[in-house]
Amino acid sequence: DTAVSQTPKYLVTQMGNDKSIKCEQNLGHDTMYWYKQDSKKFLKIMFSYNNKELIINETVPNRFSPKSPDKAHLNLHINSLELGDSAVYFCASSPPGAYGYTFGSGTRLTVV
Amino acid sequence: GNSVTQMEGPVTLSEEAFLTINCTYTATGYPSLFWYVQYPGEGLQLLLKATKADDKGSNKGFEATYRKETTSFHLEKGSVQVSDSAVYFCALSDHSGGGADGLTFGKGTHLIIQP
Repeated sequence: DTAVSQTPKYLVTQMGNDKSIKCEQNLGHDTMYWYKQDSKKFLKIMFSYNNKELIINETVPNRFSPKSPDKAHLNLHINSLELGDSAVYFCASSPPGAYGYTFGSGTRLTVV
Repeated sequence: GNSVTQMEGPVTLSEEAFLTINCTYTATGYPSLFWYVQYPGEGLQLLLKATKADDKGSNKGFEATYRKETTSFHLEKGSVQVSDSAVYFCALSDHSGGGADGLTFGKGTHLIIQP
């Protein structure tokens, strides 16, 4: 069983569209995250979320919004997609204390 | 704020050479330190970690020692293989806030091993 799974693996869409990326973890972890990896491979956290609190990186545009239907899922919704949103998006999770993180395999988003 | 600085590549070595990838950090408190590896077209895999000063993380022939006095976590391997070609990321986790800040990553080092 995949510990952190995200779908789709590839997503190609036009500018202005709204899209979602789904993430599920079966590790029983309390905290989930979304990271963005740009074309230069640089990784930056976008959001962290546990069942009590959402922490937003202040540099993330408000077109991006995480949605968590339950503890095991953290989906990423993106409105009005722009060319600059093209990147690889990684979901991750961690247990309490955050001494370990498990990553999904990534979603490569291409905006054309 | 927290930050991680690592040597930027690409780093090109011949097979069986000795590898060192430098990593230094700035953090408040006592962070945990990690090395992640990303093979071409794949996601992030945890390579090794250390959670307190003087700990040594090791895996698949790779090692790194948590040096608080020099705020460093350099990655080493005695004899690299072509299959080690990948991008390596140094990262830290500041446990204040219960992990809400997630991982802070270095910019990654692209390692190329030639036969």
